Amino acid sequence: TQLLEQSPQFLSIQEGENLTVYCNSSSVFSSLQWYRQEPGEGPVLLVTVVTGGEVKKLKRLTFQFGDARKDSSLHITAAQPGDTGLYLCAGVPLNTGNQFYFGTGTSLTVIP
Amino acid sequence: DAGITQSPRHKVTETGTPVTLRCHQTENHRYMYWYRQDPGHGLRLIHYSYGVKDTDKGEVSDGYSVSRSKTEDFLLTLESATSSQTSVYFCAISESTSLSTDTQYFGPGTRLTVL
Repeated sequence: TQLLEQSPQFLSIQEGENLTVYCNSSSVFSSLQWYRQEPGEGPVLLVTVVTGGEVKKLKRLTFQFGDARKDSSLHITAAQPGDTGLYLCAGVPLNTGNQFYFGTGTSLTVIP
Repeated sequence: DAGITQSPRHKVTETGTPVTLRCHQTENHRYMYWYRQDPGHGLRLIHYSYGVKDTDKGEVSDGYSVSRSKTEDFLLTLESATSSQTSVYFCAISESTSLSTDTQYFGPGTRLTVL
């Protein structure tokens, strides 16, 4: 089992729809990051959330860190084809020192 | 874009042969990482380095070794490749004052196939 589980694993939606991606763990994290990866490229950092309950907005993307710092969500409003990609959460659990973990990933396809 | 290159970009090899992947950076960042990416697993950390000659194991280090003799180069070696090591390998770098909040910059990846 992975330390960070994401759901759903795959998501295919029409342009203009809203969606939410979840990142869950049984471990507590000091912070969580979200990356987006496009085919054939490496991941690119979108945001870092560091405080339990924190909400960050990046244009149409809203990121939330759970109060207990065990989970996070990414909400996209009015999805566009340019949002297509693999979304990954990532972080360092408090009880593992310097081990950095990525989530299992959510592959999003936005259909024009 | 951060200056990170990986070589080779694609490699096909046979079971039992040694393989070395190279990561080169021009950013003078302290931390360097090697990940593998497989469907359904996201990225998993193999090894990382926090300075010249300073390395540590990640989540999936068995079967892999690393070396860092210069700040700019981080080598990943598969001493005897197995089919289970078929994967896409990514190198990443970070300035890292904090592993949990620092931005990691990724290279373009190396697709390795072990027959």
